[in-house]
Amino acid sequence: ETGVTQSPTHLIKTRGQQVTLRCSSQSGHNTVSWYQQALGQGPQFIFQYYREEENGRGNFPPRFSGLQFPNYSSELNVNALELDDSALYLCASSLNGRGQGGGYTFGSGTRLTVV
Amino acid sequence: GESVGLHLPTLSVQEGDNSIINCAYSNSASDYFIWYKQESGKGPQFIIDIRSNMDKRQGQRVTVLLNKTVKHLSLQIAATQPGDSAVYFCAEIPSGGYNKLIFGAGTRLAVHP
Repeated sequence: ETGVTQSPTHLIKTRGQQVTLRCSSQSGHNTVSWYQQALGQGPQFIFQYYREEENGRGNFPPRFSGLQFPNYSSELNVNALELDDSALYLCASSLNGRGQGGGYTFGSGTRLTVV
Repeated sequence: GESVGLHLPTLSVQEGDNSIINCAYSNSASDYFIWYKQESGKGPQFIIDIRSNMDKRQGQRVTVLLNKTVKHLSLQIAATQPGDSAVYFCAEIPSGGYNKLIFGAGTRLAVHP
């Protein structure tokens, strides 16, 4: 059984550019959530995808968008990058969005730096 | 690797001592409260959780205490080991709707030999 894998591990982009981050969910999981973790802070919920539909969103602007594919992998897209978008982006997969009892499995994240 | 908690409060303990990490939460309508451990360069790792209708739950070397009156959560680690050094986050799952995690600010635990 494989865990959650994210790619790339590190990325440097210029302000105004667009970026796509990828996440492969753990085997048997059908829900993917994305979190943004600024340096020295706790992760903040961006959105969640269940069966290829967004079913929850945090306080992030529309330039943060996502996709989930039939194999339950997911992408996070960020347009018009800003310096404040520099952060660790974490993906977490679960079965039916169930987080209790250790239901979420997190990947190691993608470190995005916007210059 | 990357340092997760550069500016977080730090709890320093001696190896073998017990550690207590505290967290204040905000949402009184949350169903579950969870403790995560995050090591440098890794994502959060589940430690233990507690349902909102409980006040104490024990795991292997860890105990979580929930005080709903003052909205306070604590994690006790017995016989702290060097491998316990990490940043610890509390998180809550609000009731109703989809399960999202609301994370607290985090505490860095430094274990000294």
